[in-house]
Amino acid sequence: GAGVSQTPSNKVTEKGKYVELRCDPISGHTALYWYRQSLGQGPEFLIYFQGTGAADDSGLPNDRFFAVRPEGSVSTLKIQRTERGDSAVYLCASSATSGTGELFFGEGSRLTVL
Amino acid sequence: GENVEQHPSTLSVQEGDSAVIKCTYSDSASNYFPWYKQELGKGPQLIIDIRSNVGEKKDQRIAVTLNKTAKHFSLHITETQPEDSAVYFCAASITDKLIFGTGTRLQVFP
Repeated sequence: GAGVSQTPSNKVTEKGKYVELRCDPISGHTALYWYRQSLGQGPEFLIYFQGTGAADDSGLPNDRFFAVRPEGSVSTLKIQRTERGDSAVYLCASSATSGTGELFFGEGSRLTVL
Repeated sequence: GENVEQHPSTLSVQEGDSAVIKCTYSDSASNYFPWYKQELGKGPQLIIDIRSNVGEKKDQRIAVTLNKTAKHFSLHITETQPEDSAVYFCAASITDKLIFGTGTRLQVFP
């Protein structure tokens, strides 16, 4: 497709389980971002990739969260030992330029931790 | 780090009226200020942006103003229509990441 694709759209898991969320950015976009959005809140920055490398991971809340982008395209956000507080919509966005260019968001992956 | 505050949190207007949403930011080095619209179940979508060397920008019914001295910027929607109903987010950027406000839920009543 032409837009940013995120899978799964919905994920329900149990506390303590491991979760992977996938993002397929717009072809050719070098910058990729992960945000987390809790109900009634704005997107909260998690991590930003420029190509294959994580240029800024200052928003990752703790070491249970990790993200990769091995070939500079698809990215996976990995959450270990999930907690109920991790429940949120995880948004991925890509951009042709970093920082001051338009971000194109996917529809998000809604994670529910029971 | 950058902090962006946005108000009001909710705004209800009659169709045809104007709507104004205001944001303040903390870091004077921020130089890019976009506004995003988010509809239910969708990701945010850029509607207009402004850079620090410009004081105002307009695109049809939407305009944004920036006051760098006061560190605040505003979104103005004129002649509102029911399809303008959504959540609107302001954001500010210094380098490579956007920091978002908490959002304004706009309801336009026919």
